[in-house]
Amino acid sequence: NAGVTQTPKFQVLKTGQSMTLQCAQDMNHNSMYWYRQDPGMGLRLIYYSASEGTTDKGEVPNGYNVSRLNKREFSLRLESAAPSQTSVYFCASTPAALKKYEQYFGPGTRLTVT
Amino acid sequence: SQKIEQNSEALNIQEGKTATLTCNYTNYSPAYLQWYRQDPGRGPVFLLLIRENEKEKRKERLKVTFDTTLKQSLFHITASQPADSATYLCALPSYQTGANNLFFGTGTRLTVIP
Repeated sequence: NAGVTQTPKFQVLKTGQSMTLQCAQDMNHNSMYWYRQDPGMGLRLIYYSASEGTTDKGEVPNGYNVSRLNKREFSLRLESAAPSQTSVYFCASTPAALKKYEQYFGPGTRLTVT
Repeated sequence: SQKIEQNSEALNIQEGKTATLTCNYTNYSPAYLQWYRQDPGRGPVFLLLIRENEKEKRKERLKVTFDTTLKQSLFHITASQPADSATYLCALPSYQTGANNLFFGTGTRLTVIP
């Protein structure tokens, strides 16, 4: 049981390049999330998927798109990377979109945009 | 807008003492509050959830209190050990993106000195 896995672990992009961050969970969780974490800002929600087939914007969705490929996988795409998107990105999942469940986080992807 | 204040960015204590971390929130009355631990270079790990009708919750050396009148949660680690050194995050339901999502504080970095 690997939990939540993310690829890649590190990535360096040039401004304007695109890339997709991959996330998968093997816990049969319904809800999945993408966060970014910046110094002094805490974790901020980018997009979430309450259940397979649905996605919604979080606090900071601009410049990102997501795909809930199936119940296991939730990807985050940067179409045209900008230096402001330099951050650590975390994927998380929870059993259901209910109020009482904790979130399980992946190890993170450290992205640098030059 | 939603706001969480965690007492300080960094807290240093001697091994064996009790560490007390504070989470203050504004603007609304959350149904629950969660605490997470984050080690450098890793994703957050869930520790405890406390509901609005619970005054206190314990897990091994951890204790959380929730005062909905003061809009404050206290997180205590008793008999602290160097292995407790980490950043501790407070999280509440998000009223911007929906109560099934979490809004995180910026965290308090705890260092336990041997």
